[in-house]
Amino acid sequence: GQSLEQPSEVTAVEGAIVQINCTYQTSGFYGLSWYQQHDGGAPTFLSYNALDGLEETGRFSSFLSRSDSYGYLLLQELQMKDSASYFCAVSFNQAGTALIFGKGTTLSVSS
Amino acid sequence: DAGVTQSPTHLIKTRGQQVTLRCSPKSGHDTVSWYQQALGQGPQFIFQYYEEEERQRGNFPDRFSGHQFPNYSSELNVNALLLGDSALYLCASSLEGLAYHEQYFGPGTRLTVT
Repeated sequence: GQSLEQPSEVTAVEGAIVQINCTYQTSGFYGLSWYQQHDGGAPTFLSYNALDGLEETGRFSSFLSRSDSYGYLLLQELQMKDSASYFCAVSFNQAGTALIFGKGTTLSVSS
Repeated sequence: DAGVTQSPTHLIKTRGQQVTLRCSPKSGHDTVSWYQQALGQGPQFIFQYYEEEERQRGNFPDRFSGHQFPNYSSELNVNALLLGDSALYLCASSLEGLAYHEQYFGPGTRLTVT
């Protein structure tokens, strides 16, 4: 089977750092993506890792270890607007556009 | 520059009916993927269209079919609707070969089957 595991909920305060972990077990793997989705909104792309290591984009960083089938999204300097659902997704085509999504992690940021 | 658009926004259908959902990709994009998102779940991949052909398909029955037109817009058709088909249907577009790992999602069509 194919599965992605991520925590269902994470809470933090403004200005803090939070890490959302994702472990995966899939029959094909080309890369790991992260998407953000606010309530009632469309998922928006955050990051993509095809190779092991850390990718940094502003306040967000993403890490991948292919040997451990593990990745994480690191959010720094949390803001209230970061309250949303975060999904990890495995690409099972080389283009990286056919995705298997996890169930999502709901992040709640409080003041 | 218009992003991904989908129509209709909301739709209510009865079991056994058929439905067609529409998607216009972001300007310049040539690949369209469809996802089903149940409440509280992550999106599930239905299929992907490129050059008017279904290129890849997820684990969905043949009741789910699609089409891509020469202008890259796409339709998702669902026949013999079941209560379990109630969900948010998301369309995502991308450009083959250029920052190909990033997909742009539309706002979705909320389908309710009664």
